[in-house]
Amino acid sequence: DTAVSQTPKYLVTQMGNDKSIKCEQNLGHDTMYWYKQDSKKFLKIMFSYNNKELIINETVPNRFSPKSPDKAHLNLHINSLELGDSAVYFCASSLVRAGEKLFFGSGTQLSVL
Amino acid sequence: QKEVEQDPGPLSVPEGAIVSLNCTYSNSAFQYFMWYRQYSRKGPELLMYTYSSGNKEDGRFTAQVDKSSKYISLFIRDSQPSDSATYLCAMSRGNQAGTALIFGKGTTLSVSS
Repeated sequence: DTAVSQTPKYLVTQMGNDKSIKCEQNLGHDTMYWYKQDSKKFLKIMFSYNNKELIINETVPNRFSPKSPDKAHLNLHINSLELGDSAVYFCASSLVRAGEKLFFGSGTQLSVL
Repeated sequence: QKEVEQDPGPLSVPEGAIVSLNCTYSNSAFQYFMWYRQYSRKGPELLMYTYSSGNKEDGRFTAQVDKSSKYISLFIRDSQPSDSATYLCAMSRGNQAGTALIFGKGTTLSVSS
C-alpha cells in the first residue's frame, strides 16, 4: 500500500507543451504539498493545500497551477513548459498540526527538451 | 547568507564508523528541526525530529540542536552500507502546515563495507 503516490514517475516533453502530475495520499492527512528538487538536490516548497484551501503559495511562475479536488488529491498542471522546469517534483502530505512531519511520494522526474 | 547551510559532501566512510552531519542556520525564529533521509530515486523520509534545543536519540541515530550557536547535528553510530543516502536537514518556525519547511541542500553519505 503506497502512502503517497504520484504519477507519472517520468515525464519527458518538449518546450511549450502543457503537462500534469497527479498525487494521491491514503494516510488520512488533511494537508498536501508540492516540492521541487533541482539538479543540485535543493528541495523547495511550491504550494500547500489544507482541506482543499491554498495555504502556501511560494514565488512560482503563473504557469504552475495546483488543483486539489479533495483532501486526498493534489494535482499540478504546468503550462508552456520551459527548459528550466526540468527537475524532480515531489508531492507530500501531513496533518495540519504536524507540518514538520512530511510524507513524500517517490517523485516525478520531469525533463523538458 | 542562506537561511540553512549544509555541506553537500560527498562523505565516504567505512562500515562501523561514526558519522557526523551538520547544518547551520541564520533565522533565530526556527523552533523545529528535522533530518530527512533520501535514497537515490526516492522521496525524502523523516528520520529524526527535535523541538527547540537538546538531544534526541533513536537507535543508532542522535540528533542535537544548539540554538545558541544556530547549529544542528545528526550522529550515526556503527554506520552501515544501508545508511548510504543523502541526508537533508530541515527547519521551520512552527509546526502548523502553513509554515514552510526550509531544507538544507543535503549531504551525500556513502558507507563502504
